[in-house]
Amino acid sequence: DTEVTQTPKHLVMGMTNKKSLKCEQHMGHRAMYWYKQKAKKPPELMFVYSYEKLSINESVPSRFSPECPNSSLLNLHLHALQPEDSALYLCASSRGGLAELGNEQFFGPGTRLTVL
Amino acid sequence: KQEVTQIPAALSVPEGENLVLNCSFTDSAIYNLQWFRQDPGKGLTSLLLIQSSQREQTSGRLNASLDKSSGRSTLYIAASQPGDSATYLCAVSDTGRRALTFGSGTRLQVQP
Repeated sequence: DTEVTQTPKHLVMGMTNKKSLKCEQHMGHRAMYWYKQKAKKPPELMFVYSYEKLSINESVPSRFSPECPNSSLLNLHLHALQPEDSALYLCASSRGGLAELGNEQFFGPGTRLTVL
Repeated sequence: KQEVTQIPAALSVPEGENLVLNCSFTDSAIYNLQWFRQDPGKGLTSLLLIQSSQREQTSGRLNASLDKSSGRSTLYIAASQPGDSATYLCAVSDTGRRALTFGSGTRLQVQP
């Protein structure tokens, strides 16, 4: 299995809702990433988990809360989002931890989030 | 702070042409460089990964080169096809942080 899966594919939520995005990989990768991509812009790194520990937080607002319950699963919990948070949210994984060699990143198809 | 630039921003070519996409980065202390393809509204597909010690990598009709000292990489696509139409993104991983910094991409359109 060489893919990263993300659910849901599309999500529409109001500013008072609480929702979660899910990412899963079964490649034995130990680093997992969340990126945010606005239309016609490159992906921007949000969070990195290495061996299930949060290694990088790119000063993301607290209304985004990541969670890594195990080495295969990565969640992004959303609460009280703003319309400007509407974007494509991409998950990625790479072999080994953050400091190890050969960290080619593999991306999931993304979740298209719309905040009303 | 690492900055990655891709030129051109958009490119339209007739089918069958060979083409070169350019990527430059400001900090040469990179760990690796990765080229991705992204179709509209979709995720990223990894095309080629070049480690900092390598000069080039090849996969089928794609060839990527790396000149770390001058902060440049090129992606060469041979005999382009309409199915190659997509946005091509270059990303570098720094020696320290190891997280990817992306360029803004080149939108490629191959006309049949």
